[in-house]
Amino acid sequence: DAGVTQSPTHLIKTRGQQVTLRCSPKSGHDTVSWYQQALGQGPQFIFQYYEEEERQRGNFPDRFSGHQFPNYSSELNVNALLLGDSALYLCASSLVGVNDEQYFGPGTRLTVT
Amino acid sequence: AQTVTQSQPEMSVQEAETVTLSCTYDTSESDYYLFWYKQPPSRQMILVIRQEAYKQQNATENRFSVNFQKAAKSFSLKISDSQLGDAAMYFCAYRPITQGGSEKLVFGKGTKLTVNP
Repeated sequence: DAGVTQSPTHLIKTRGQQVTLRCSPKSGHDTVSWYQQALGQGPQFIFQYYEEEERQRGNFPDRFSGHQFPNYSSELNVNALLLGDSALYLCASSLVGVNDEQYFGPGTRLTVT
Repeated sequence: AQTVTQSQPEMSVQEAETVTLSCTYDTSESDYYLFWYKQPPSRQMILVIRQEAYKQQNATENRFSVNFQKAAKSFSLKISDSQLGDAAMYFCAYRPITQGGSEKLVFGKGTKLTVNP
């Protein structure tokens, strides 16, 4: 049973560029949540996708956008990168329900120079 | 807004000893989940233990147990017989319970646990 996978593992981008991060959920899961974890901090919720729609959103600017595909995989896009976007981006998948558990992927480390 | 506070940025423990990590939270909800996650240097966030707020009994998973004090909004993690592999960042997290949806997790800033041989 494959767990949550994310690609790429590491990424280096320049200020002003755009980046796309990818996530494949755990088998059987239909919901994907994205978190940003700055160095030395706890993860912060970016947004969540369910049934290909953004279901919830945290306090992040519109430069952060996402997408969910029919196979439940998801992308996180960040436009006009800032130095402050450097962080570990975590994807978590779950199955909608009252007692749903979020399973995390290994993350993508984004460095903006 | 819900908040989670971990007041201990770093903790250390001798191998085979017991350590307790502290967590407090703020919420106006009556039903919710509380979690402790472990994040080793590999970065993978691993669920350690989970507590449902409506359950009075404290959760236990092998060497890991919690002290859940709902009125005080306190949720501490006790690690018994500490092992070198327990060294990691530990995050306390909160999630409300809703029907038909998966709510976001709210994390604390974490506690770095060092296990000394």
